Amino acid sequence: QSALTQPPSASGSLGQSVTISCTGTSSDVGAYNYVSWYQQRPGEAPKLIIYEVSKRPSGVPDRFSGSKSGNTASLTVSGLQAEDEADYFCSSYAGRNSYVFGTGAKVTVL
Amino acid sequence: QVQLVESGGGVVQPGRSLRLSCAASGFTFSSHAMHWVRQAPGKGLEWVAIISYDGSNKYYADSLKGRFTISRDNSKNMVYLRMNSLRAEDTAVYYCARYNYDYHAFDNWGQGTLVTVSS
Repeated sequence: QSALTQPPSASGSLGQSVTISCTGTSSDVGAYNYVSWYQQRPGEAPKLIIYEVSKRPSGVPDRFSGSKSGNTASLTVSGLQAEDEADYFCSSYAGRNSYVFGTGAKVTVL
Repeated sequence: QVQLVESGGGVVQPGRSLRLSCAASGFTFSSHAMHWVRQAPGKGLEWVAIISYDGSNKYYADSLKGRFTISRDNSKNMVYLRMNSLRAEDTAVYYCARYNYDYHAFDNWGQGTLVTVSS
């Protein structure tokens, strides 16, 4: 149950796009389409923004999109806005009723 | 609306025990699996444990097996985490989270309760 690997940080200017990777193994990310992404602003609880690799819950802007290739999932935030500045965590089902989270990536809006 | 409210955190000495509680409301609690997830200060999220909707199945992170116990009381809409033999590295904010099997994701989280293990 090793943590999924994310870059510590990513940045982009207002209106531009930023992509965050989430690398796991063939036992978690590569094995299941149960990758989800969470946004966490300082002092707040995580908020679900992407589930099952690329689906958005109701109310999440379509600026957020997800994808997966092999053992790596990605989150793209398009048209960056100031309020997108936050920490982003990926998560995956890892089999045998276990779950794993990513190391987290801090997104800065320049 | 869905609400999850954790309580029971605080400062505890190494080796002691603590029980966290999570009060759920706004949904049919007895139909949902529930999890505990923790976050050490300035660190990432770490999955801790899951309990099935009826409490019959419980699973834990390998690193925590034997020290932590998850339980629930569906008559009270409560989920608990009993933590024994606490260590400094257990210091974290502990969140309870609802698991949505339609989404295969944690769709609602509480605000968390801080546990500090220190002498």
